[in-house]
Amino acid sequence: GNSVTQMEGPVTLSEEAFLTINCTYTATGYPSLFWYVQYPGEGLQLLLKATKADDKGSNKGFEATYRKETTSFHLEKGSVQVSDSAVYFCALRHSGAGSYQLTFGKGTKLSVIP
Amino acid sequence: DTGVSQNPRHKITKRGQNVTFRCDPISEHNRLYWYRQTLGQGPEFLTYFQNEAQLEKSRLLSDRFSAERPKGSFSTLEIQRTEQGDSAMYLCASSPRTGVMDTQYFGPGTRLTVL
Repeated sequence: GNSVTQMEGPVTLSEEAFLTINCTYTATGYPSLFWYVQYPGEGLQLLLKATKADDKGSNKGFEATYRKETTSFHLEKGSVQVSDSAVYFCALRHSGAGSYQLTFGKGTKLSVIP
Repeated sequence: DTGVSQNPRHKITKRGQNVTFRCDPISEHNRLYWYRQTLGQGPEFLTYFQNEAQLEKSRLLSDRFSAERPKGSFSTLEIQRTEQGDSAMYLCASSPRTGVMDTQYFGPGTRLTVL
């Protein structure tokens, strides 16, 4: 079945540090890949997505590239801010026709300190 | 666009009681999803509606769980004879009819505590 594995947290970084959160997946076919973010006290929000191999999703300074050869979708940001403190979830959507469910990783909590 | 809303935000109940949650999707979104999230885990898919039709159900959705979307707008999730293991955050999401690749917009969730 489909599964997503992401690096365990919590991750604590100083402001302006470089961020990488690793995400690998197991799936048949060609899933679509997502990063969702959950800020404290708020609901899940889509951060970025990629639908096919070598696509790069980007938003708010965050980037992730769909790597089919390594089945990975690592999240990166060059310079984090305190406001980036949140829980980040990697997810995939199965490529089968009529299937719309998302499979999520366990989440990685990021804390950015001034 | 007021976003996905869920009510109640918090529910505390005793084991064995029935509970019902409501989800109001973004207007004109024809797809609606329910997920469950336990502490320290990512959301797990429960069920999916396209308009009023329930098209997918997870094995997690035991026969104590039932979901409806009678007019293709709001949805309810009922849990009968609650158990302590049902304690979790129940998330609702909706998405528009934009083809195969669409974005799911999540509500704030209903936190259920079963004593």
